[in-house]
Amino acid sequence: NAGVTQTPKFQVLKTGQSMTLQCAQDMNHEYMSWYRQDPGMGLRLIHYSVGAGITDQGEVPNGYNVSRSTTEDFPLRLLSAAPSQTSVYFCASGAGAPDTQYFGPGTRLTVL
Amino acid sequence: GNSVTQMEGPVTLSEEAFLTINCTYTATGYPSLFWYVQYPGEGLQLLLKATKADDKGSNKGFEATYRKETTSFHLEKGSVQVSDSAVYFCALSASGGSNYKLTFGKGTLLTVNP
Repeated sequence: NAGVTQTPKFQVLKTGQSMTLQCAQDMNHEYMSWYRQDPGMGLRLIHYSVGAGITDQGEVPNGYNVSRSTTEDFPLRLLSAAPSQTSVYFCASGAGAPDTQYFGPGTRLTVL
Repeated sequence: GNSVTQMEGPVTLSEEAFLTINCTYTATGYPSLFWYVQYPGEGLQLLLKATKADDKGSNKGFEATYRKETTSFHLEKGSVQVSDSAVYFCALSASGGSNYKLTFGKGTLLTVNP
C-alpha cells in the first residue's frame, strides 16, 4: 500500500493563478479531508468528505473547492490564489471515527 | 465549539530526561483523544489514542491517560531519545455525527540533545 499520496510536494504560484492539489489513497477509506498547517496555528480543517459524491466545509473553507468523484481521490482546488493561502497542505484519510486518520506527506505552497 | 490547548514550546531536553507535554480540551459529549507526531519534513503520524475516559494510550514508550474529570490528555515519556525530536500535536475527534473531524492543538516542538 502506498497509503496517502499528495502531489506536488512543492509549488509556487502568483496571486490570481489557479491550481489543483492532488490527493489519493489506496486503503479504501470512506473519509478524506484537507488541512492547512500554519506556524503557531496547528492544523485547521478546510474541507472533508465522508464518501464519494459527498463533501462538506471545515473550519477554513473560503478560497478552496473540492469534489469527490471516486473513493480514492480528493483534489483541492484553489481558484484564484492569494498570499494568505501560503501554507503547508495535508490530506488525510480514515475508515471512520475513532479510527486512525492517515496523513499524506504534504504540499508546501507559496503564493507570491 | 471544540478546542484543544497544549503547552507552548519549544521544549528542549537532554537525552534520557523525563518528558511531559500538557494537553487539555473542551468538547461536548465524549470525544476520542489523539497524539500525533510530525518528524521534520514529514506528514503527521498517529502516536497513540484513547477513546473513552480512563483509557491509557501507549506507543514507543510514550503514554497518555484520558482524564475526563480534568479534561486532560497529557503526553509522557520516561526517557527521551534524540530520535524523539519532533513536533507533537494533541487532537480530539468529537462524538456524534460529525465525529470524523479532528481538532488540533497548536503543536509543541520537542528538541532532544545528546
